[in-house]
Amino acid sequence: AQSVAQPEDQVNVAEGNPLTVKCTYSVSGNPYLFWYVQYPNRGLQFLLKYITGDNLVKGSYGFEAEFNKSQTSFHLKKPSALVSDSALYFCAVRDMDDYKLSFGAGTTVTVRA
Amino acid sequence: ETGVTQTPRHLVMGMTNKKSLKCEQHLGHNAMYWYKQSAKKPLELMFVYSLEERVENNSVPSRFSPECPNSSHLFLHLHTLQPEDSALYLCASAGSWTGGYEQYFGPGTRLTVT
Repeated sequence: AQSVAQPEDQVNVAEGNPLTVKCTYSVSGNPYLFWYVQYPNRGLQFLLKYITGDNLVKGSYGFEAEFNKSQTSFHLKKPSALVSDSALYFCAVRDMDDYKLSFGAGTTVTVRA
Repeated sequence: ETGVTQTPRHLVMGMTNKKSLKCEQHLGHNAMYWYKQSAKKPLELMFVYSLEERVENNSVPSRFSPECPNSSHLFLHLHTLQPEDSALYLCASAGSWTGGYEQYFGPGTRLTVT
């Protein structure tokens, strides 16, 4: 079985401050990990993924995430948040031996000017 | 988002109607998916197709019927729906249903069942 937890329903930050969105996962084997963003009335947009290799993954729009196997975490980070980063963020995991992608419940990020 | 398109974007239907949702991907992908997104709930995988073959029916009620005539098109046929079926229905595609391929999503169809 596999699952994803996003412990924070909401994250509020000021523009220019660092942004972190937390994600922990559970899989029986090795994980594929993904982050998606959803803007209002839009579908999910792929940001970045971890498959193998370097634990620090860089993605679109200045976002990055660090894979931590011992803590089973894959937190999303951005050094300096923009108002336009305000959206709903989803973490997702798939066991390498499975085909189903399991999503977290999502974290709403609000960046205030 | 132009890689995966969905029509219609909004749909209101009665419980006795029959309607279809359409998805088209322009990315040359081999796998296509239907998801249901309800408020305050994680995305629910409904169906997976790989090269037009269904590989997953995730315990979805029979009032939802998928069709994949080719690797670029995916339909979701709806009949005798219930009010609790109101949700955002998302289509996605990926290079393959296995491996570390990310999924690309369409904008969704907002379905309201009255």
